Formats: sequence, structure tokens, C-alpha cells
Amino acid sequence: GIQVEQSPPDLILQEGANSTLRCNFSDSVNNLQWFHQNPWGQLINLFYIPSGTKQNGRLSATTVATERYSLLYISSSQTTDSGVYFCAVGGQGGSEKLVFGKGMKLTVNP
Amino acid sequence: NAGVTQTPKFQVLKTGQSMTLQCAQDMNHEYMSWYRQDPGMGLRLIHYSVGAGITDQGEVPNGYNVSRSTTEDFPLRLLSAAPSQTSVYFCASRRGTGVYGYTFGSGTRLTVV
Repeated sequence: GIQVEQSPPDLILQEGANSTLRCNFSDSVNNLQWFHQNPWGQLINLFYIPSGTKQNGRLSATTVATERYSLLYISSSQTTDSGVYFCAVGGQGGSEKLVFGKGMKLTVNP
Repeated sequence: NAGVTQTPKFQVLKTGQSMTLQCAQDMNHEYMSWYRQDPGMGLRLIHYSVGAGITDQGEVPNGYNVSRSTTEDFPLRLLSAAPSQTSVYFCASRRGTGVYGYTFGSGTRLTVV
């Protein structure tokens, strides 16, 4: 099945810094989503982005499907951005059979 | 608009017991899924549904059953609980058309002793 790798696995930032999270996948996809899991365990959908670029406030994401990667950009990070970021993909085997990466833990210090 | 509601929030079972985790959404979403999350790992898909009456297996379906008799509800049944099923379970839903991602419930923390 499709493989998903996220990097870096951990990141510590000072408030105000920018960061880029990367998601590599092993096959063509027709569904790609980014999620944030806050320290209380709640999962929030950030982007549905199987291709192209989207922006929402300080967050933006780009997926280059032909090169099998997606990037999540966080600008001017805040302490509330702390948590775990997951990339999840669905491919030829079924767009709703999402495969999650292991996540990237972000800690933003004041 | 309650979103995705999961009950119970916490549950302790004895090995061999059965139970049903409830999931309901009020957004008229076609797609619904169940995931489990274990420490240090991402989420793994158990079962999913693309509409009422249609279900399919995910990555880790063994030991679990689902049914989708209505658009709103997607219960997950543990047939005979095992300690390996100790986990946090998440239900999620999304629209079948358009460019929308999944909305998740708040999770059920299950411990099997």
C-alpha cells in the first residue's frame, strides 16, 4: 500500500518563527489532507489539498502531486500552534482509505 | 450543529466483553470513517463508509464490525475485546463532493483489561 513519511519528526520553535513541514508519499494520490492534533487530543482539519496551493491565515499548503510531496507552511508561529501535525493520503486503492503519516510534533515556546 | 458526536468518551472493558462505540453526525455527510490511534503512531483506518448501506474495510479491521443503516450514524462494534484493542478511537465524517476534509469527533479512550 501507499507509504507516507513526514519530516521532521520533531520541531521546537520560538514564537514568531516560521516553519515548513514536509509529507512524502509513495504513489499517486487523489486525496491529501493535513490535520493538527492539539495537546488535548482534538483533531482539526487544516487543508484538503490533493494538488495545488491553498492558504488560510498564517497557514498555507502546497502539494506537488507529480513529485509526490506536500508542504505545510506555518508563518509567525504562536504557542497555540503547538501539537502534532499529520498528513494523510488516499490513492488508487480508494480515496477514502486514508493512510496517515506518523506525525510531526511541533512545540512553540513563548 | 453538534458536528461529530462520539459516545462514550471513556470506557473500560474486560477481555472478552463486547461493546459498541457510537458515532453520529448532523451535517448530512456521505463519508464516515473509524480510526484508532496508538501511542507514538499516526491514525490507522479500521472501517469506512461512503454512504448508507455501504461499508468497507480499512487497514486494521479484524475484531471490529460496522454498519451504516442511516446517513447520520456509524457505530463500531467490538466483538470480543482484547488488550490489543486498548486505544483511542476517532470517528470522522466529510461531504462526498467538493473540496472538504474530514471533521473528527473528540474520541473514545478505551482500555481493555
